[in-house]
Amino acid sequence: KAGVTQTPRYLIKTRGQQVTLSCSPISGHRSVSWYQQTPGQGLQFLFEYFSETQRNKGNFPGRFSGRQFSNSRSEMNVSTLELGDSALYLCASSLVYSTNEKLFFGSGTQLSVL
Amino acid sequence: GIQVEQSPPDLILQEGANSTLRCNFSDSVNNLQWFHQNPWGQLINLFYIPSGTKQNGRLSATTVATERYSLLYISSSQTTDSGVYFCAVGRKDTGNQFYFGTGTSLTVIP
Repeated sequence: KAGVTQTPRYLIKTRGQQVTLSCSPISGHRSVSWYQQTPGQGLQFLFEYFSETQRNKGNFPGRFSGRQFSNSRSEMNVSTLELGDSALYLCASSLVYSTNEKLFFGSGTQLSVL
Repeated sequence: GIQVEQSPPDLILQEGANSTLRCNFSDSVNNLQWFHQNPWGQLINLFYIPSGTKQNGRLSATTVATERYSLLYISSSQTTDSGVYFCAVGRKDTGNQFYFGTGTSLTVIP
């Protein structure tokens, strides 16, 4: 069974641009959540999608948004990029939206904003 | 949110040694998981352990939810165990919104 797939693996953008990251969950998993990892702030929850609906959102500005498609694939978008958005963005999938689920992560997208 | 503290922050071991990593959390949780982040950045799920004890090969974990801590034991460490170990906790009714600790960076030297 294939794991969580994130594309692209690396991205370089300049300030003010926007970026879209993609995540395909494990087959059969319907919940997708996104996390940002930086050396200063560690791993922080961005948002979670289940059945194409955002279920939870972390403490991030509105420039960070996402969506989920009917096949459970998810995308996150960051608009008007800032230098501080440079980070490893990790996607995780689980079977359903529940606090009793095991979380499986992809390899991440390393975003560098110049 | 929930505060998650991990100790020690850094650990250097000789191959074959044993170690214990600790995770303290500030509030009641319904979910606790341990992850290993490899040098390529991927987080590998080691344990889903909201309470009790589990073992998987050379690794075992214990969570005492009433006292708000969890321990990860690594026995007979190998160089492939190197990386960062994270503890993550989640509350009831918040889906997969997890609070992560700052991690323990483990280096196993041959």
